[in-house]
Amino acid sequence: AQKITQTQPGMFVQEKEAVTLDCTYDTSDPSYGLFWYKQPSSGEMIFLIYQGSYDQQNATEGRYSLNFQKARKSANLVISASQLGDSAMYFCAMRERGKDYKLSFGAGTTVTVRA
Amino acid sequence: GAVVSQHPSWVICKSGTSVKIECRSLDFQATTMFWYRQFPKQSLMLMATSNEGSKATYEQGVEKDKFLINHASLTLSTLTVTSAHPEDSSFYICSARLINGVNTEAFFGQGTRLTVV
Repeated sequence: AQKITQTQPGMFVQEKEAVTLDCTYDTSDPSYGLFWYKQPSSGEMIFLIYQGSYDQQNATEGRYSLNFQKARKSANLVISASQLGDSAMYFCAMRERGKDYKLSFGAGTTVTVRA
Repeated sequence: GAVVSQHPSWVICKSGTSVKIECRSLDFQATTMFWYRQFPKQSLMLMATSNEGSKATYEQGVEKDKFLINHASLTLSTLTVTSAHPEDSSFYICSARLINGVNTEAFFGQGTRLTVV
């Protein structure tokens, strides 16, 4: 069974607009963490934002915010004021305490920002 | 943030030869490092968990004799692709976890693009 599901293979967004990337997850572990990474064409994995399962508040990091809906097992990433440099592949990932802290990745969403 | 350095960033090798990829944590000690493989336009697939001072733990379907992992020190893990074939061509990327890190992110190397000809 898929641990992390990203249903949007690709998205286009206009520069300066906001975009929401969907991510749902599946776990029975009460302690887990959710991550979003950006992967530009160079291949490096750039950490964007983290949300812990016990965190009460939604995580925010600059233009990135995570819409964490625990009951729905959803952790959508919102990128505000999109920039051309945001064009990349975005991965949602989960780390479960009971799984030796391994990261499980979703299939990814390719974001293309248009001028 | 913490830095993980992966070397080489790209390599081309002949079929049948072996290739070694290094993953170093530059400013922290990592008892655990992870090796991933990524095909174009696809997700990262965990290959193995590298533990300092002990044998690596391989994911199901990954040939341990094909992908040799050594984690000889707290700052270095190596992945050796033995007798490489064109189907081993892929992007390999490592990550490291801080000792006693709880909620910190995994730190990734820059990745290695392997092409077997």
